[in-house]
Amino acid sequence: KQEVTQIPAALSVPEGENLVLNCSFTDSAIYNLQWFRQDPGKGLTSLLLIQSSQREQTSGRLNASLDKSSGRSTLYIAASQPGDSATYLCAVSSNDYKLSFGAGTTVTVRA
Amino acid sequence: EAGVAQSPRYKIIEKRQSVAFWCNPISGHATLYWYQQILGQGPKLLIQFQNNGVVDDSQLPKDRFSAERLKGVDSTLKIQPAKLEDSAVYLCASSFGYWGSATEAFFGQGTRLTVV
Repeated sequence: KQEVTQIPAALSVPEGENLVLNCSFTDSAIYNLQWFRQDPGKGLTSLLLIQSSQREQTSGRLNASLDKSSGRSTLYIAASQPGDSATYLCAVSSNDYKLSFGAGTTVTVRA
Repeated sequence: EAGVAQSPRYKIIEKRQSVAFWCNPISGHATLYWYQQILGQGPKLLIQFQNNGVVDDSQLPKDRFSAERLKGVDSTLKIQPAKLEDSAVYLCASSFGYWGSATEAFFGQGTRLTVV
């Protein structure tokens, strides 16, 4: 069974600092990994999708890396802004046909 | 492109009552998921459909939860009777490809259920 872990559970940084969010998974036989953003009381917004054959994916200030062999992914958010405050979830698509989620990292960017 | 639509957004019911949630996925998406997200936790898969067939319902509490996907498009999730521990956000998601084809999943806004 795929287990997905996100550490830390919460993170508070001053505006302008770079954010580094970690995701680890136990089974390296994955199809892809997806990073989501969730605002309070809202659904999930897809940020980046990394295919298992890729090492990284970039969108604007966001960059996500994937090291499948070690079961790790990292989401980097450059020059953080108060609007980046949200919970960030990673989800792994595995060979057992499930999309498994971590518990998320709640980010607060202080103005 | 319209997103995944869910209704209602909020629902408050008493325990032992029944409730139903509705989801309309993105047009053309073959795969539809229902997730349960308890406060402070990541989403947990309840059921996954491929067109109108069930791919995975191993974590669906079948004594009280049921789900169907009509004609491979819209889906409803029902709880009967509800328990206090069912209080959560119920998320619907869809993706274009069949499982294993590595396509992106898109989520609706969710339905927040409170059981009192």
